[in-house]
Amino acid sequence: GESVGLHLPTLSVQEGDNSIINCAYSNSASDYFIWYKQESGKGPQFIIDIRSNMDKRQGQRVTVLLNKTVKHLSLQIAATQPGDSAVYFCAETYFGNEKLTFGTGTRLTIIP
Amino acid sequence: EAGVVQSPRYKIIEKKQPVAFWCNPISGHNTLYWYRQNLGQGPELLIRYENEEAVDDSQLPKDRFSAERLKGVDSTLKIQPAELGDSAVYLCASSPGQGKMNTEAFFGQGTRLTVV
Repeated sequence: GESVGLHLPTLSVQEGDNSIINCAYSNSASDYFIWYKQESGKGPQFIIDIRSNMDKRQGQRVTVLLNKTVKHLSLQIAATQPGDSAVYFCAETYFGNEKLTFGTGTRLTIIP
Repeated sequence: EAGVVQSPRYKIIEKKQPVAFWCNPISGHNTLYWYRQNLGQGPELLIRYENEEAVDDSQLPKDRFSAERLKGVDSTLKIQPAELGDSAVYLCASSPGQGKMNTEAFFGQGTRLTVV
């Protein structure tokens, strides 16, 4: 079936450096993508989203890039802070389908 | 604005016992989801409601799992009888609903179930 997957299960980054988390998706019909952050003992928290009519979207310290040609998206976190340590999930869906399909997740650890 | 509220936060039960989880979605959200998250994995959809109607329950193990969303607001997910493999975090989420351009789903804190 269709799935969303991540390339790296773990990532360690020095505090203050930038981090990039990658995600591959396989459903070419997907037109809406979300990055979630999940801290230990909490539910996933929305970070940023992007629709398929865009290839880049920026938030506060975060940028999501979408490459529909190769079905890949990435989450860039600038000037990482200890509070950025968490598991990050990408999720995808398409208009008319309210079901979000999640990837396995990447654990980001910020080294002080 | 209150977020998605779930209870209990933690539950430990013996196998073969029943268990129930409760969810109160964000006010005005028509779509309600129950997800199961195993350790180290992403959430997997169990069931999705549009108002009081279960529109996607294809992933719900119907021999032991049941859910309801009476009046299209609060929802309850039940497992009877529980098995060791049911140990996981059960997440409830809500979103505005169909007919609106997709928006993110808002998640509750989850209920961590341990079956011993």
